[in-house]
Amino acid sequence: AQSVTQPDIHITVSEGASLELRCNYSYGATPYLFWYVQSPGQGLQLLLKYFSGDTLVQGIKGFEAEFKRSQSSFNLRKPSVHWSDAAEYFCASRSNTGKLIFGQGTTLQVKP
Amino acid sequence: DGGITQSPKYLFRKEGQNVTLSCEQNLNHDAMYWYRQDPGQGLRLIYYSQIVNDFQKGDIAEGYSVSREKKESFPLTVTSAQKNPTAFYLCASSIKGPRGTGELFFGEGSRLTVL
Repeated sequence: AQSVTQPDIHITVSEGASLELRCNYSYGATPYLFWYVQSPGQGLQLLLKYFSGDTLVQGIKGFEAEFKRSQSSFNLRKPSVHWSDAAEYFCASRSNTGKLIFGQGTTLQVKP
Repeated sequence: DGGITQSPKYLFRKEGQNVTLSCEQNLNHDAMYWYRQDPGQGLRLIYYSQIVNDFQKGDIAEGYSVSREKKESFPLTVTSAQKNPTAFYLCASSIKGPRGTGELFFGEGSRLTVL
């Protein structure tokens, strides 16, 4: 079965430090990949997406992600984290039936 | 502005009562979805609809019902048969369902609490 794995349930970084959130997917063909962010009590907002082409994609709020087919990964990065980035982050992949498969999410805490 | 509107934002229900959560979209999307979110469990798919007057069960459909009489509306009823209904419910839509990219657009969510 197709799956998306986010190995880190909870990550804490200091404000101004760099950030990398990991995501691994299982799917043979070129996947459609997404990162969403969710603030407490809110819906999910799309940060960025990868369908094809350049494997480094830029998103909103200064985030970027790199698609690595050899590692089946789509890790999210930000060079310098701001306190407002504290939220839950979800990686997702399109299944072969068109639905999105979500990872379990990574909660980001930012220390002042 | 186009988007997805969920109502109510907060809802309290007594045990044994049915409750209906509203979801309306003006994005002209074909497909609509309902997810349930519990702490530490990510998003779980309840029901989805790829076209008007048709819908399919997701992973946790027991105790829930839906209808899709209009393209822009996809209400979810949490019935008394749902044993643990207290949760955060998210509605989403996508442009083309199975022929699309899978990209979802989400509403702001509805928090249901059973007293």
